[in-house]
Amino acid sequence: QKEVEQNSGPLSVPEGAIASLNCTYSDRVSQSFFWYRQYSGKSPELIMSIYSNGDKEDGRFTAQLNKASQYVSLLIRDSQPSDSATYLCAVRGGSGGGADGLTFGKGTHLIIQP
Amino acid sequence: AAGVIQSPRHLIKEKRETATLKCYPIPRHDTVYWYQQGPGQDPQFLISFYEKMQSDKGSIPDRFSAQQFSDYHSELNMSSLELGDSALYFCASSARQSTDTQYFGPGTRLTVL
Repeated sequence: QKEVEQNSGPLSVPEGAIASLNCTYSDRVSQSFFWYRQYSGKSPELIMSIYSNGDKEDGRFTAQLNKASQYVSLLIRDSQPSDSATYLCAVRGGSGGGADGLTFGKGTHLIIQP
Repeated sequence: AAGVIQSPRHLIKEKRETATLKCYPIPRHDTVYWYQQGPGQDPQFLISFYEKMQSDKGSIPDRFSAQQFSDYHSELNMSSLELGDSALYFCASSARQSTDTQYFGPGTRLTVL
């Protein structure tokens, strides 16, 4: 049973500060890791993907992966009120030949305080 | 850029009725995934198709079936609807040969009365 764990929050961060979101996963053969942002009633929107240990930066976002610790994180720098949303960590396993479904965490509700 | 298209966007059905949801993937994407998201829940993977063949299967009820057609669009057929089937249904697509990143459509909100 694949499991992805996230702190549900809410996580409240002042505008302009760094928001740090964390995720752990149970399946060691997981190969691909994603962060999606979801506004209420809307579809998940891809923020970052990461496949190798280390950091990956894209604008204000940095994803970090540590496969030994089975840990993925997302840092949001210079947080803006528009970043307020639920952030979903998603993991793809390695048994479906590339078309595996994603296993999602329950999401962290992030609130950026103006 | 073109995105995933889903229809209808909203659907209201009675218990025990049937429903068909449609998904049109991003052009040149060959893989389609279906997810169900209940109120306050995370998306749950139902099923995926690659080149018109079922590729992976998740927690899809036996009352549901799906297929992918020659133009790569997909349909999710739901029968004997139950109140608990009320949810957002998302379709996602990817270009399997180049990346496994899944891009989500806007979703279909199904309400079962």
